[in-house]
Amino acid sequence: NSKVIQTPRYLVKGQGQKAKMRCIPEKGHPVVFWYQQNKNNEFKFLINFQNQEVLQQIDMTEKRFSAECPSNSPCSLEIQSSEAGDSALYLCASSNRDEQYFGPGTRLTVL
Amino acid sequence: GDSVTQTEGLVTLTKGLPVMLNCTYQTTYSPFLFWYVQHLNEAPKLLLKSSTDNKRTEHQGFYATLHKSSSSFHLQKSSVQLSDSALYFCALRTASSGSWQLIFGSGTQLTVMP
Repeated sequence: NSKVIQTPRYLVKGQGQKAKMRCIPEKGHPVVFWYQQNKNNEFKFLINFQNQEVLQQIDMTEKRFSAECPSNSPCSLEIQSSEAGDSALYLCASSNRDEQYFGPGTRLTVL
Repeated sequence: GDSVTQTEGLVTLTKGLPVMLNCTYQTTYSPFLFWYVQHLNEAPKLLLKSSTDNKRTEHQGFYATLHKSSSSFHLQKSSVQLSDSALYFCALRTASSGSWQLIFGSGTQLTVMP
């Protein structure tokens, strides 16, 4: 069973507000991924880190999100100005470079 | 670019029958395939990962074989149970960007009837 912890489980924001979610990866996993799963169950890769450094991020994340994965603190993903289209399940996954294990996700609703 | 195709969006079966969920992929790199299962309001859980070409991998009664010749990694079970009702995703770990992200198929909703 996955030991990835995500908080909060649910987040409700108004358009234009900031939305911040956190992830504690499994101990010993050096790589952390963030994915967005929309209402049609489609996954979109957002960003990933290896030992606090960004490996890759998509254009949307670079422009509208801020994310970090400091040592000895939870990783975080923050939408700077929420839009209705950001309503989705945000999944954090930690990896030992082979498999990826997902947390329960943060379900964001933007009103 | 890399991609994963799952042809069935919805599969409905009676308990005890066999099931096969299709997954084909496209990549120019060495393929690493995974099956994840997602129950309602839960995290995707890793079910299976591929091994070497033509070698079957099994877990919790499910099994799949990577066939590079047909670019496939179909998920099978010989006798489905009510608790198998869930959303199943096939995923390809891509090395094309150097970041090892997963590319997911569109998912297959499996519903098992009594």
